[in-house]
Amino acid sequence: ETGVTQSPTHLIKTRGQQVTLRCSSQSGHNTVSWYQQALGQGPQFIFQYYREEENGRGNFPPRFSGLQFPNYSSELNVNALELDDSALYLCASSLDPSYEQYFGPGTRLTVT
Amino acid sequence: RKEVEQDPGPFNVPEGATVAFNCTYSNSASQSFFWYRQDCRKEPKLLMSVYSSGNEDGRFTAQLNRASQYISLLIRDSKLSDSATYLCAVISNAGNMLTFGGGTRLMVKP
Repeated sequence: ETGVTQSPTHLIKTRGQQVTLRCSSQSGHNTVSWYQQALGQGPQFIFQYYREEENGRGNFPPRFSGLQFPNYSSELNVNALELDDSALYLCASSLDPSYEQYFGPGTRLTVT
Repeated sequence: RKEVEQDPGPFNVPEGATVAFNCTYSNSASQSFFWYRQDCRKEPKLLMSVYSSGNEDGRFTAQLNRASQYISLLIRDSKLSDSATYLCAVISNAGNMLTFGGGTRLMVKP
């Protein structure tokens, strides 16, 4: 086990709604990265938080936002949900931005 | 062209076989390389970091070829439990984001 936890495990939302996903990093890790994985594809980088600051962003629209708390846990918020947002959302924690990333079990989001 | 590419497979091999996967990357400035294993509907699990000198962990050997811009994973004496999708991932010199290939599916048969 990586010690990275995510909640909730599964979520069903309606198009246009908003969702918040949560991640607790491994003890001692100050960096959390978020990824979206569609079925049959590799994970796609959304953004990374390092010591409570955004430290890089992938090619996702502004309706994907996040934050990191002083205990290094993190949230991913998605506004105005679209059907294509249905995916597995993974967070990964690392000792710092350049180290190996360890993934949590993911949140499976279904948008109907 | 995708930044990181893998043959999606599936590779169907008998137990005990040796199987190898390659993964090519397009950014010559890439600095760090990894192999992850992902079981169906589960999260990716870090299998190995890939070092310039190559590295081995039991039945698994990873190699990096910077000149040809690919990394490889060799699995010896395949077990049924090795059946999974193997994802390669690369970090560029920009520092932080993992760029993944689409994964290679391995099925080990009795």
